[in-house]
Amino acid sequence: GAGVSQSPSNKVTEKGKDVELRCDPISGHTALYWYRQSLGQGLEFLIYFQGNSAPDKSGLPSDRFSAERTGGSVSTLTIQRTQQEDSAVYLCASSVGGRAFFGQGTRLTVV
Amino acid sequence: GNSVTQMEGPVTLSEEAFLTINCTYTATGYPSLFWYVQYPGEGLQLLLKATKADDKGSNKGFEATYRKETTSFHLEKGSVQVSDSAVYFCALSSNSGGSNYKLTFGKGTLLTVNP
Repeated sequence: GAGVSQSPSNKVTEKGKDVELRCDPISGHTALYWYRQSLGQGLEFLIYFQGNSAPDKSGLPSDRFSAERTGGSVSTLTIQRTQQEDSAVYLCASSVGGRAFFGQGTRLTVV
Repeated sequence: GNSVTQMEGPVTLSEEAFLTINCTYTATGYPSLFWYVQYPGEGLQLLLKATKADDKGSNKGFEATYRKETTSFHLEKGSVQVSDSAVYFCALSSNSGGSNYKLTFGKGTLLTVNP
């Protein structure tokens, strides 16, 4: 597609449930990032994929968070046993040559 | 590792005021520098960039100059408008240390411009 696509755009889940967030990057972009943006807060880096290299997972806040990128394209961020503090907008970006293109984000609400 | 520090907001200005949002960075090698903007209800988008020392990025009346000697990339606009109200993020991209152009963002600065 023309841009980075994220789905779903909104997700409401019960505390303790698992959720999966999807990101379709721009075709040909080798780098893919996941960020979290809480209300009134800045961007919190979560994870970074670059080509076939091992991902940089240094930003994942706990072992309940994981992400994978299949075939160097689509990525899925999984949050297990969701907590209320996980409520935020999860942003995906893909990049080439350092310039990032962001998706519209998934707004996750844990109730 | 790389890091970006930008002035914390929120910043509130009147229309036509002069804007400066400070940004300094720490990086190895020769990073590219960016300002991204997030308008209310919209996704982040690139505002301007500079790829080497003394370059000036500019767009929509905003400017920022890559200052290697002070490791800074301050965002400026001579006369802000209400429509400039947004969150502004400073960022750098560096391929040093094998990180392959990994982007590092600042925390963001909320700008509100009042009529």
